Amino acid sequence: QKEVEQDPGPLSVPEGAIVSLNCTYSNSAFQYFMWYRQYSRKGPELLMYTYSSGNKEDGRFTAQVDKSSKYISLFIRDSQPSDSATYLCAMRSSYKLIFGSGTRLLVRP
Amino acid sequence: DSGVTQTPKHLITATGQRVTLRCSPRSGDLSVYWYQQSLDQGLQFLIQYYNGEERAKGNILERFSAQQFPDLHSELNLSSLELGDSALYFCASSARGDPNTGELFFGEGSRLTVL
Repeated sequence: QKEVEQDPGPLSVPEGAIVSLNCTYSNSAFQYFMWYRQYSRKGPELLMYTYSSGNKEDGRFTAQVDKSSKYISLFIRDSQPSDSATYLCAMRSSYKLIFGSGTRLLVRP
Repeated sequence: DSGVTQTPKHLITATGQRVTLRCSPRSGDLSVYWYQQSLDQGLQFLIQYYNGEERAKGNILERFSAQQFPDLHSELNLSSLELGDSALYFCASSARGDPNTGELFFGEGSRLTVL
């Protein structure tokens, strides 16, 4: 079983929709949770990070962590075609950053 | 532009061969990480160096090795290549020795194709 599980998608939504992306994990020692965005033919770039359980909001993006359920989410409000990318969750375990396999998102104009 | 430079961008080689991938971290960053990204496995952590010393090891095969030089650039050596080694290899850097806030800065990757 992988430490971090993420639905690969693809997820296709119309412009303006609310998008929900999710990851589950098995290692209860994870404390830092991140979301990276990867455009085609580019390296991943950090979008948001949160520490422990709770919500964090940044513009149209909200990251949510539920440690009791070992479940994290990223919500994108008013989605735009420019949001079309692969979204990878990541979690820190000591010196290692463990990534999910990524969910491909397509926002249709 | 993340400031992390990787060369070569593309590489095609044959099974059994050896290749070297090179990474220059962002100016001032002491840590370098290597990741392998394939369609079926996602982004897999290989190894991390901090200021020239190995800091953490992930799922790196014995056929693979890496090092970080005094000028902080890093090389990933892949030998006895197999078809399954075909993947995107990413280098990332961070200022600190541990990915505290998780902010790694990734290069654009080196795409390796083994025929």
